[in-house]
Amino acid sequence: AQSVTQPDIHITVSEGASLELRCNYSYGATPYLFWYVQSPGQGLQLLLKYFSGDTLVQGIKGFEAEFKRSQSSFNLRKPSVHWSDAAEYFCAVVNMNYGGSQGNLIFGKGTKLSVKP
Amino acid sequence: KAGVTQTPRYLIKTRGQQVTLSCSPISGHRSVSWYQQTPGQGLQFLFEYFSETQRNKGNFPGRFSGRQFSNSRSEMNVSTLELGDSALYLCASSSSVSNEQFFGPGTRLTVL
Repeated sequence: AQSVTQPDIHITVSEGASLELRCNYSYGATPYLFWYVQSPGQGLQLLLKYFSGDTLVQGIKGFEAEFKRSQSSFNLRKPSVHWSDAAEYFCAVVNMNYGGSQGNLIFGKGTKLSVKP
Repeated sequence: KAGVTQTPRYLIKTRGQQVTLSCSPISGHRSVSWYQQTPGQGLQFLFEYFSETQRNKGNFPGRFSGRQFSNSRSEMNVSTLELGDSALYLCASSSSVSNEQFFGPGTRLTVL
């Protein structure tokens, strides 16, 4: 079965420092991958997505992610973190067991990001 | 363009009751998906509707059901509520052109 693993439950970084959030997936072919962010009490906002093509994907708010097939990874990065980036981040993949409908996503457990002043 | 709206935002029910949650997608979006978010299980897919037809269903008991209307608005119903149904229920909509889902703010359901 497909799955998404986010190994880090909670990460704390200093404001201005770089950030990398890890995501590993299990799927034989090229998956459709997403990163979402959720602020407390809010819904999910899409940061970026990867379907095919260039393996380095640029998103909103200065985030980028790199798809590495050999490592089954899709890690999220940001060169300089701002205090407003404190939130929970979710990696997700389209569930291909049901025709690959984008409306059926499998999510990782999330990584909570705290930012130190 | 208005985003995805969900009503009510907060709900408190007691065990054994039933509840109906509503989702209005972004105008023009015909696909609506529902997810349950809990601290223990994380985000789990409930079901997806497209043009009034259920396209996919997640691994939830039959107490969880949904429907979609001709205007693409969707409702989900949970009957015979259990304490474990306490969660944030998120609705997302997407169009056949876009390849991303837009999420609403969620309905926080508390079962006492």
